[in-house]
Amino acid sequence: GENVEQHPSTLSVQEGDSAVIKCTYSDSASNYFPWYKQELGKRPQLIIDIRSNVGEKKDQRIAVTLNKTAKHFSLHITETQPEDSAVYFCAAILPSSGSARQLTFGSGTQLTVLP
Amino acid sequence: DGGITQSPKYLFRKEGQNVTLSCEQNLNHDAMYWYRQDPGQGLRLIYYSQIVNDFQKGDIAEGYSVSREKKESFPLTVTSAQKNPTAFYLCASSLAFQETQYFGPGTRLLVL
Repeated sequence: GENVEQHPSTLSVQEGDSAVIKCTYSDSASNYFPWYKQELGKRPQLIIDIRSNVGEKKDQRIAVTLNKTAKHFSLHITETQPEDSAVYFCAAILPSSGSARQLTFGSGTQLTVLP
Repeated sequence: DGGITQSPKYLFRKEGQNVTLSCEQNLNHDAMYWYRQDPGQGLRLIYYSQIVNDFQKGDIAEGYSVSREKKESFPLTVTSAQKNPTAFYLCASSLAFQETQYFGPGTRLLVL
């Protein structure tokens, strides 16, 4: 099966600075990579995703890059704000003939944006 | 996200007791999933279901059971065989063959 490793486990940045979180995956067949944000005690919410046929995707202050050769992908948050403070999870999905899609999650990164 | 609900928000289990967590969705999604989240860890898949009356084990199915009698409902039972049930349980759903999963608000299970 797939294995996803995520680094760092904690990250503190000053407000306005950039934050980068990196994930590596083990199965080169994985073709979809979402990022979820989870605030304390709340449900994970999808913030951005990327498919294996794309190298980079941006959505305002958030971007994700994918390096298929090296099997790693990264989340970039620019101009960080205190409300960006949360746990961020990366995930990977293998292709499947069934209708369900099994997500394999990284262990999470606690991002703290210091005012 | 508002279309998928879980109850109760908190659940207490006594030793040797089976408890059932509810998950309901009105999104007309075919696939549903149950994840377990422990502090400082990512989400791990317990069970998933692609259609009514069908479900498969995930990575950590031991000590859990599920049913899918209706498209909108996917209850999870934590049995007495699960020796370390304290965790945050998240239900999710997705359209068939679509990768985006939408999560419910979660149920926190505690052992008395």
